[in-house]
Amino acid sequence: GAVVSQHPSRVICKSGTSVKIECRSLDFQATTMFWYRQFPKQSLMLMATSNEGSKATYEQGVEKDKFLINHASLTLSTLTVTSAHPEDSSFYICSAEGDYEQYFGPGTRLTVT
Amino acid sequence: LAKTTQPISMDSYEGQEVNITCSHNNIATNDYITWYQQFPSQGPRFIIQGYKTKVTNEVASLFIPADRKSSTLSLPRVSLSDTAVYYCLVGDWDTGRRALTFGSGTRLQVQP
Repeated sequence: GAVVSQHPSRVICKSGTSVKIECRSLDFQATTMFWYRQFPKQSLMLMATSNEGSKATYEQGVEKDKFLINHASLTLSTLTVTSAHPEDSSFYICSAEGDYEQYFGPGTRLTVT
Repeated sequence: LAKTTQPISMDSYEGQEVNITCSHNNIATNDYITWYQQFPSQGPRFIIQGYKTKVTNEVASLFIPADRKSSTLSLPRVSLSDTAVYYCLVGDWDTGRRALTFGSGTRLQVQP
């Protein structure tokens, strides 16, 4: 099946700094990618829809100025957590849209100290 | 997007068949039913997808009654490695917005 990668797999940063997470579709092109956040023992929550060449669409309650999304090519979307705080610590997962299913990346564990 | 309801957790033993039922009373005509599996600290993995009746692949079967208001994921002869969270989702793959809404999922614990 199609492969989606994420980098880094885990990152620790200090409060107030920014962190960029990359999501790549390795063997297919994805005009649409999605970013999810998952807290421990909870389900995935959709944060935003990333569209190649246009602005991302954010879900209600997600601050677009804090979670910057860039989808500059058909194989790469990036999520930048700006001025991170400990409450932003979570598991971030991206997915890329295929023909009839979504392919999920392995996730990125963000810890803000 | 149709809301789904699943049992929060289930327990089973190795070698048994496990059936996880999901309710989706408001499923729309164009909606497909998809099941994903998630291990801790990993992204969800596609298991199976169907529209009606029965679908079977190498890892699972999906049973969908005629009214499509529920579906049952059947895992034959589970092993310890099947311990995971299973999510049932419904979505219309023909519209422009294909974002998936995850419910609470079912946490399956397989005992030796």
